[in-house]
Amino acid sequence: DTEVTQTPKHLVMGMTNKKSLKCEQHMGHRAMYWYKQKAKKPPELMFVYSYEKLSINESVPSRFSPECPNSSLLNLHLHALQPEDSALYLCASSQRQVYNEQFFGPGTRLTVL
Amino acid sequence: AQKVTQAQTEISVVEKEDVTLDCVYETRDTTYYLFWYKQPPSGELVFLIRRNSFDEQNEISGRYSWNFQKSTSSFNFTITASQVVDSAVYFCALSEARTDSWGKFQFGAGTQVVVTP
Repeated sequence: DTEVTQTPKHLVMGMTNKKSLKCEQHMGHRAMYWYKQKAKKPPELMFVYSYEKLSINESVPSRFSPECPNSSLLNLHLHALQPEDSALYLCASSQRQVYNEQFFGPGTRLTVL
Repeated sequence: AQKVTQAQTEISVVEKEDVTLDCVYETRDTTYYLFWYKQPPSGELVFLIRRNSFDEQNEISGRYSWNFQKSTSSFNFTITASQVVDSAVYFCALSEARTDSWGKFQFGAGTQVVVTP
């Protein structure tokens, strides 16, 4: 199983809503990542978890709140988002945080109204 | 600072033509890793290859080949006999091994490849 799954595939939310994105991998990887990607741009790193601990927060606004309940799961909790937060949110995992290729999920296309 | 340059924004070819994507990188480190990813319209980034800085051997995988030249800091990617399914955005990425970079990927801007029948 070399797959990273993400749910939902599409999400539309208002600025006052609270929603969560979910990511799952069963490859035994110990590093998991959240990226944000705007159209025609490369992915931008948001958060990294290594061995279930937050390793990197790239100065992401607090309206984005990551959570790693266990080594296979990664959540991104969303609250009070802005329209400019509309983007493709990609989850990735790798064996370890360094030296290794990252495997990406299909992403969640988020629209904030 | 690390930097990856993909100077070609878009390349259009007709099916069966070869296409070469350029990637030039900058790093002060002697140990680093280079990657290529494919992003089709569906959105998922698909891992294609990883190369470490100590391995300059070129690699071929089916219709894909990669040319790594440390002397020119380039890691170019060639698709031979292109097919419509090769239409995608291709990203080159660099990751430095030193502790304070924490393995973060620096992506290039991406090159859109359009293959027409």
